[in-house]
Amino acid sequence: SQELEQSPQSLIVQEGKNLTINCTSSKTLYGLYWYKQKYGEGLIFLMMLQKGGEEKSHEKITAKLDEKKQQSSLHITASQPSHAGTYLCGATPYSSASKIIFGSGTRLSIRP
Amino acid sequence: EAGVVQSPRYKIIEKKQPVAFWCNPISGHNTLYWYLQNLGQGPELLIRYENEEAVDDSQLPKDRFSAERLKGVDSTLKIQPAELGDSAVYLCASSLKDHEQYFGPGTRLTVT
Repeated sequence: SQELEQSPQSLIVQEGKNLTINCTSSKTLYGLYWYKQKYGEGLIFLMMLQKGGEEKSHEKITAKLDEKKQQSSLHITASQPSHAGTYLCGATPYSSASKIIFGSGTRLSIRP
Repeated sequence: EAGVVQSPRYKIIEKKQPVAFWCNPISGHNTLYWYLQNLGQGPELLIRYENEEAVDDSQLPKDRFSAERLKGVDSTLKIQPAELGDSAVYLCASSLKDHEQYFGPGTRLTVT
Protein backbone atom coordinates (compact mmCIF):
# COMPACT_ATOMS: atom_id res chain seq x y z
CA SER A 1 0.00 0.00 0.00
CA GLN A 2 1.02 3.61 -0.50
CA GLU A 3 2.83 5.20 2.44
CA LEU A 4 3.80 8.79 2.89
CA GLU A 5 6.42 10.13 5.26
CA GLN A 6 6.60 13.79 6.15
CA SER A 7 9.56 15.53 7.66
CA PRO A 8 10.05 17.19 9.96
CA GLN A 9 7.15 16.25 12.23
CA SER A 10 7.24 19.71 13.75
CA LEU A 11 9.05 22.94 13.07
CA ILE A 12 9.48 26.25 14.88
CA VAL A 13 10.69 29.09 12.69
CA GLN A 14 11.48 32.71 13.38
CA GLU A 15 9.12 35.06 11.56
CA GLY A 16 10.64 36.15 8.28
CA LYS A 17 12.73 33.02 7.81
CA ASN A 18 12.35 30.48 5.01
CA LEU A 19 11.46 26.85 5.60
CA THR A 20 10.99 23.58 3.74
CA ILE A 21 8.76 20.59 4.47
CA ASN A 22 9.32 17.27 2.74
CA CYS A 23 7.01 14.46 1.72
CA THR A 24 8.33 11.09 0.53
CA SER A 25 6.34 8.28 -0.99
CA SER A 26 7.18 4.58 -1.02
CA LYS A 27 5.71 4.32 -4.53
CA THR A 28 5.42 6.46 -7.65
CA LEU A 29 2.51 8.82 -7.33
CA TYR A 30 -0.31 9.68 -9.68
CA GLY A 31 -0.85 13.01 -7.95
CA LEU A 32 0.44 14.84 -4.90
CA TYR A 33 -1.65 17.26 -2.84
CA TRP A 34 -0.68 19.78 -0.21
CA TYR A 35 -3.21 20.87 2.38
CA LYS A 36 -3.03 23.14 5.42
CA GLN A 37 -4.99 22.58 8.61
CA LYS A 38 -5.45 24.90 11.56
CA TYR A 39 -6.32 23.34 14.90
CA GLY A 40 -10.00 22.47 15.14
CA GLU A 41 -10.66 23.19 11.49
CA GLY A 42 -10.86 21.31 8.23
CA LEU A 43 -8.17 21.03 5.58
CA ILE A 44 -7.55 23.88 3.19
CA PHE A 45 -6.42 22.92 -0.32
CA LEU A 46 -3.11 24.54 -1.31
CA MET A 47 -1.81 22.87 -4.45
CA MET A 48 -1.83 19.74 -6.55
CA LEU A 49 1.12 18.42 -8.54
CA GLN A 50 0.90 15.72 -11.17
CA LYS A 51 3.83 15.92 -13.54
CA GLY A 52 7.40 14.93 -12.72
CA GLY A 53 9.47 18.07 -12.16
CA GLU A 54 6.36 20.22 -11.74
CA GLU A 55 6.52 23.31 -9.58
CA LYS A 56 3.65 25.53 -8.46
CA SER A 57 3.54 28.69 -6.39
CA HIS A 58 0.83 30.53 -4.52
CA GLU A 59 1.79 33.73 -2.79
CA LYS A 60 4.85 32.80 -0.71
CA ILE A 61 4.38 29.03 -0.87
CA THR A 62 6.08 26.90 -3.54
CA ALA A 63 5.60 23.17 -4.02
CA LYS A 64 7.73 20.90 -6.17
CA LEU A 65 7.42 17.29 -7.31
CA ASP A 66 10.59 15.45 -8.26
CA GLU A 67 11.12 13.82 -11.65
CA LYS A 68 10.52 10.33 -10.30
CA LYS A 69 7.25 11.48 -8.69
CA GLN A 70 8.13 10.04 -5.29
CA GLN A 71 9.17 13.13 -3.39
CA SER A 72 7.67 16.57 -2.92
CA SER A 73 8.77 19.64 -1.02
CA LEU A 74 6.83 22.64 0.22
CA HIS A 75 8.84 25.82 0.63
CA ILE A 76 7.65 28.94 2.43
CA THR A 77 9.53 32.17 1.85
CA ALA A 78 9.66 34.91 4.48
CA SER A 79 7.33 33.11 6.89
CA GLN A 80 4.51 34.99 8.63
CA PRO A 81 2.31 34.16 11.64
CA SER A 82 -0.50 33.34 9.20
CA HIS A 83 1.55 30.42 7.91
CA ALA A 84 1.31 28.61 11.24
CA GLY A 85 -0.63 25.35 11.20
CA THR A 86 -0.24 21.74 10.16
CA TYR A 87 0.76 20.98 6.59
CA LEU A 88 -0.39 17.65 5.19
CA CYS A 89 0.72 16.01 2.00
CA GLY A 90 -1.61 13.53 0.33
CA ALA A 91 -1.02 11.19 -2.57
CA THR A 92 -3.26 9.48 -5.05
CA PRO A 93 -2.12 6.12 -6.37
CA TYR A 94 -2.45 5.16 -10.03
CA SER A 95 -5.14 2.70 -9.09
CA SER A 96 -7.54 5.42 -7.92
CA ALA A 97 -7.20 9.10 -8.73
CA SER A 98 -9.94 9.91 -6.21
CA LYS A 99 -8.39 8.22 -3.19
CA ILE A 100 -6.00 10.42 -1.23
CA ILE A 101 -3.67 8.82 1.29
CA PHE A 102 -2.38 11.39 3.74
CA GLY A 103 0.86 11.74 5.63
CA SER A 104 0.85 12.51 9.36
CA GLY A 105 1.51 16.19 8.85
CA THR A 106 4.14 18.75 9.80
CA ARG A 107 3.20 21.15 12.57
CA LEU A 108 4.59 24.61 11.87
CA SER A 109 4.90 27.31 14.51
CA ILE A 110 6.09 30.83 13.74
CA ARG A 111 8.00 32.66 16.45
CA PRO A 112 7.47 36.45 16.39
CA GLU B 1 -19.98 30.09 -2.70
CA ALA B 2 -20.67 28.09 0.46
CA GLY B 3 -18.15 25.46 1.44
CA VAL B 4 -18.74 22.00 2.83
CA VAL B 5 -21.06 22.21 5.83
CA GLN B 6 -20.94 19.76 8.71
CA SER B 7 -22.96 19.44 11.86
CA PRO B 8 -22.68 19.20 14.72
CA ARG B 9 -19.22 20.68 15.26
CA TYR B 10 -18.82 18.95 18.60
CA LYS B 11 -20.48 15.94 20.15
CA ILE B 12 -19.96 14.26 23.52
CA ILE B 13 -21.68 10.95 24.14
CA GLU B 14 -21.37 7.99 26.46
CA LYS B 15 -20.08 4.71 25.11
CA LYS B 16 -22.68 2.37 23.63
CA GLN B 17 -24.83 5.32 22.57
CA PRO B 18 -25.58 6.04 18.89
CA VAL B 19 -24.38 9.19 17.14
CA ALA B 20 -24.92 10.69 13.70
CA PHE B 21 -23.03 13.27 11.69
CA TRP B 22 -24.40 15.28 8.80
CA CYS B 23 -22.63 16.71 5.76
CA ASN B 24 -23.79 19.04 2.99
CA PRO B 25 -21.23 19.16 0.15
CA ILE B 26 -20.41 22.01 -2.19
CA SER B 27 -23.17 22.44 -4.76
CA GLY B 28 -22.47 20.45 -7.90
CA HIS B 29 -19.86 18.17 -6.34
CA ASN B 30 -20.86 14.63 -7.16
CA THR B 31 -18.14 12.95 -5.07
CA LEU B 32 -18.43 12.96 -1.30
CA TYR B 33 -15.95 11.54 1.23
CA TRP B 34 -16.03 10.76 4.93
CA TYR B 35 -12.68 10.69 6.74
CA LEU B 36 -11.61 9.86 10.26
CA GLN B 37 -8.78 11.90 11.76
CA ASN B 38 -7.09 10.89 14.98
CA LEU B 39 -5.04 13.38 16.95
CA GLY B 40 -1.66 14.02 15.34
CA GLN B 41 -2.50 11.95 12.26
CA GLY B 42 -3.64 12.62 8.74
CA PRO B 43 -7.22 11.87 7.70
CA GLU B 44 -8.08 8.28 6.76
CA LEU B 45 -10.81 7.56 4.26
CA LEU B 46 -13.88 5.76 5.58
CA ILE B 47 -16.16 5.89 2.57
CA ARG B 48 -16.41 7.58 -0.83
CA TYR B 49 -19.61 8.25 -2.76
CA GLU B 50 -20.05 8.95 -6.44
CA ASN B 51 -23.50 10.53 -6.46
CA GLU B 52 -25.59 8.17 -4.30
CA GLU B 53 -23.39 5.11 -4.83
CA ALA B 54 -20.77 4.08 -2.26
CA VAL B 55 -17.83 3.22 -4.53
CA ASP B 56 -15.21 2.67 -1.82
CA ASP B 57 -16.24 1.60 1.68
CA SER B 58 -13.41 -0.85 2.28
CA GLN B 59 -12.19 1.05 5.36
CA LEU B 60 -15.61 1.49 6.95
CA PRO B 61 -16.08 -0.73 10.06
CA LYS B 62 -19.41 -2.06 8.96
CA ASP B 63 -20.29 -3.72 12.26
CA ARG B 64 -20.95 -0.35 13.86
CA PHE B 65 -20.60 2.32 11.18
CA SER B 66 -23.09 3.09 8.44
CA ALA B 67 -23.46 5.89 5.94
CA GLU B 68 -26.01 7.03 3.42
CA ARG B 69 -26.35 9.58 0.65
CA LEU B 70 -29.88 8.95 -0.48
CA LYS B 71 -30.41 11.72 -3.04
CA GLY B 72 -26.78 12.12 -4.04
CA VAL B 73 -26.38 15.39 -2.12
CA ASP B 74 -26.39 15.40 1.71
CA SER B 75 -24.86 12.52 3.60
CA THR B 76 -25.14 11.07 7.08
CA LEU B 77 -22.54 8.97 8.91
CA LYS B 78 -23.76 6.95 11.88
CA ILE B 79 -22.03 5.02 14.63
CA GLN B 80 -24.03 2.55 16.68
CA PRO B 81 -22.95 1.74 19.31
CA ALA B 82 -20.06 4.14 19.88
CA GLU B 83 -16.88 2.90 21.57
CA LEU B 84 -14.20 4.85 23.42
CA GLY B 85 -11.82 4.37 20.50
CA ASP B 86 -14.19 6.19 18.17
CA SER B 87 -13.22 9.52 19.73
CA ALA B 88 -11.77 11.49 16.81
CA VAL B 89 -12.58 14.18 14.28
CA TYR B 90 -14.88 13.11 11.46
CA LEU B 91 -14.28 15.10 8.29
CA CYS B 92 -16.46 15.35 5.24
CA ALA B 93 -15.06 16.42 1.87
CA SER B 94 -16.47 16.86 -1.60
CA SER B 95 -15.08 17.22 -5.10
CA LEU B 96 -15.83 17.02 -8.75
CA LYS B 97 -14.78 13.57 -9.99
CA ASP B 98 -10.99 13.12 -9.74
CA HIS B 99 -10.42 16.75 -8.77
CA GLU B 100 -9.09 18.34 -5.57
CA GLN B 101 -11.15 17.72 -2.46
CA TYR B 102 -12.63 20.48 -0.33
CA PHE B 103 -13.07 19.75 3.35
CA GLY B 104 -15.62 20.77 5.92
CA PRO B 105 -14.65 21.90 9.45
CA GLY B 106 -15.24 18.44 10.90
CA THR B 107 -17.16 17.04 13.86
CA ARG B 108 -15.12 16.41 16.97
CA LEU B 109 -16.53 13.34 18.73
CA THR B 110 -15.72 12.52 22.33
CA VAL B 111 -16.91 9.18 23.68
CA THR B 112 -16.83 8.89 27.48
